[in-house]
Amino acid sequence: QKEVEQNSGPLSVPEGAIASLNCTYSDRGSQSFFWYRQYSGKSPELIMSIYSNGDKEDGRFTAQLNKASQYVSLLIRDSQPSDSATYLCAVKSSGSARQLTFGSGTQLTVLP
Amino acid sequence: DADVTQTPRNRITKTGKRIMLECSQTKGHDRMYWYRQDPGLGLRLIYYSFDVKDINKGEISDGYSVSRQAQAKFSLSLESAIPNQTALYFCATSDFKTVGTDTQYFGPGTRLTVL
Repeated sequence: QKEVEQNSGPLSVPEGAIASLNCTYSDRGSQSFFWYRQYSGKSPELIMSIYSNGDKEDGRFTAQLNKASQYVSLLIRDSQPSDSATYLCAVKSSGSARQLTFGSGTQLTVLP
Repeated sequence: DADVTQTPRNRITKTGKRIMLECSQTKGHDRMYWYRQDPGLGLRLIYYSFDVKDINKGEISDGYSVSRQAQAKFSLSLESAIPNQTALYFCATSDFKTVGTDTQYFGPGTRLTVL
């Protein structure tokens, strides 16, 4: 079983809509959660981090964390064509190595 | 100038050749990482280093070796390249001074093709 699961998509939403990206993880002791955006052929860039249950908002982005359900999501409000990218969920393990484990990513397309 | 640089950006090589990918950072971070990315598989950790004297294997270290020459430099070597090592390779850095964050910042990537 993969440790961090994401729907691979592709996910398509119209411009101006809300895009909802989901991620589940298997390590119940995980404490740190990250969303990275990756444009085709480019490197991942951090857009959100979340450490506590609940919602964290930053501009058009909201990260939601539910540790009991082992679920983290990213909402993108007022989606723009420039948001079209692959979104990677990353979870920091609770082990001593404290490595980041990445999901395989969800490809988002925002249609003009 | 970019905070994390990787050289070369693209490399085509033949099976059996030794290849070195280099990573340098000016962020002053103590931690450095090497990942590879394959289509549909996300990022997988090859090696990581928490300081110059601390190097650890990641999820997929077989066929790779690393060297941490200085706090700012971390090199990845393929001793004898094989075609299934064709991938996009990323270096990343992080700073654990702020407890609990350890956000990783990625270099631009090296696209390696092994024929």
